[in-house]
Amino acid sequence: EAGVAQSPRYKIIEKRQSVAFWCNPISGHATLYWYQQILGQGPKLLIQFQNNGVVDDSQLPKDRFSAERLKGVDSTLKIQPAKLEDSAVYLCASSIGTSLYNEQFFGPGTRLTVL
Amino acid sequence: DQQVKQNSPSLSVQEGRISILNCDYTNSMFDYFLWYKKYPAEGPTFLISISSIKDKNEDGRFTVFLNKSAKHLSLHIVPSQPGDSAVYFCAASGGNTPLVFGKGTRLSVIA
Repeated sequence: EAGVAQSPRYKIIEKRQSVAFWCNPISGHATLYWYQQILGQGPKLLIQFQNNGVVDDSQLPKDRFSAERLKGVDSTLKIQPAKLEDSAVYLCASSIGTSLYNEQFFGPGTRLTVL
Repeated sequence: DQQVKQNSPSLSVQEGRISILNCDYTNSMFDYFLWYKKYPAEGPTFLISISSIKDKNEDGRFTVFLNKSAKHLSLHIVPSQPGDSAVYFCAASGGNTPLVFGKGTRLSVIA
């Protein structure tokens, strides 16, 4: 079974530029998560989708971050414009159900460096 | 406000010995606790979990202990192997709170 795919794996941009990350979850997984992991910290949830609807985006900085999962499968996370403090690894995860007790499977992440 | 705390950033253990990783939490609504393992350049992978109705869960070399009154859990790895060297994250969820992760503990198992 293929795991969660993410691209690109690495991205370097200058502040005020825009960037987008892509995630393809495990086939059949209804729930998709985007996490931000800053160096030395644990992953922090940004947004959770159930199929193509948003379940929780309370920690998403909506003035600059946006995410969509239009067909309930793959998803994109966008930052516009980027700030220095957005430098982090962006992890995508998926789970088969919507319960918090369903195991989350993580992709390898996209490492973003903002200069 | 850190709801899940891993106070030891790193731990070194000799191969064959026991590794004990600790985690404290503050939110009384948490009722499900997990440990994730992360290798460099990979995403975290699920290791073991425990629900608040239990105080111990075992899976092979890995055992998680939960002390609800102290709001403390620990992961025991016996015996430790070099392949166990990784960053271990404690995570918790419950009520309407999604998964909250600690900062992680880097375990080094020395051969």
